[in-house]
Amino acid sequence: VQLVQSGAEVKKPGESLKISCQGSGYTFTLYWIVWARQRPGKGLEWMGVIYPGDADTRYNPSFQGQVTMSVDNSIATAYLEWNNLKASDTAMYFCARREDGYTFVDFWGQGTFVTVSP
Amino acid sequence: QSALTQPASVSGSPGQSIIISCTGTSSDVGTYSLVSWYQQRPATAPTLLIYEDTKRPSGLSTRFSGSKSGDTASLTISGLQAEDEADYYCCLYTFSSTWVFGGGTRLTVL
Repeated sequence: VQLVQSGAEVKKPGESLKISCQGSGYTFTLYWIVWARQRPGKGLEWMGVIYPGDADTRYNPSFQGQVTMSVDNSIATAYLEWNNLKASDTAMYFCARREDGYTFVDFWGQGTFVTVSP
Repeated sequence: QSALTQPASVSGSPGQSIIISCTGTSSDVGTYSLVSWYQQRPATAPTLLIYEDTKRPSGLSTRFSGSKSGDTASLTISGLQAEDEADYYCCLYTFSSTWVFGGGTRLTVL
């Protein structure tokens, strides 16, 4: 099993960004993809989850409207997208998988660090 | 959303046992077996230690164990080793495919 995330990004406030998480070694459409944020020196925050099987999407209310999750099943890839980055979005972003019908995440990607600075 | 409370830090000497607590409420932690635990070593991704309160993934060291009493879930690490120095997070599944993380506990091996 692998979840390979795209590389680190450096952006300016107001810019857009889309980061990716490609799954391999398992049936991509049978596992939810969870996104989590970790600001420097801080704890994990659950952002939301998407089910590639039917694109069912659930957002943490704190992130609703701030980010958009999507998937492309043809390449087994999930995306997390911003349209108007802020300095406060500077963080490590992890994707992880959760098998449908289960209540826990069992495998994590390596993380993508996003820096937003003028 | 539910909130989970963990101690900010714990410490122990090699060979000792430590316990990290994760306190919720009677309507979540106290009612359902939905707590998982993750270890995050510095500059790495988290890894699963415990799921459904007490279950250990296949292949994981038996030094890690989970338990629950009332509204508090706990992670016990026995036979403490230097490599256990890391941050530990509890996580509660709150149905409808949503989760909440505890604030994390920094374990220092003295």
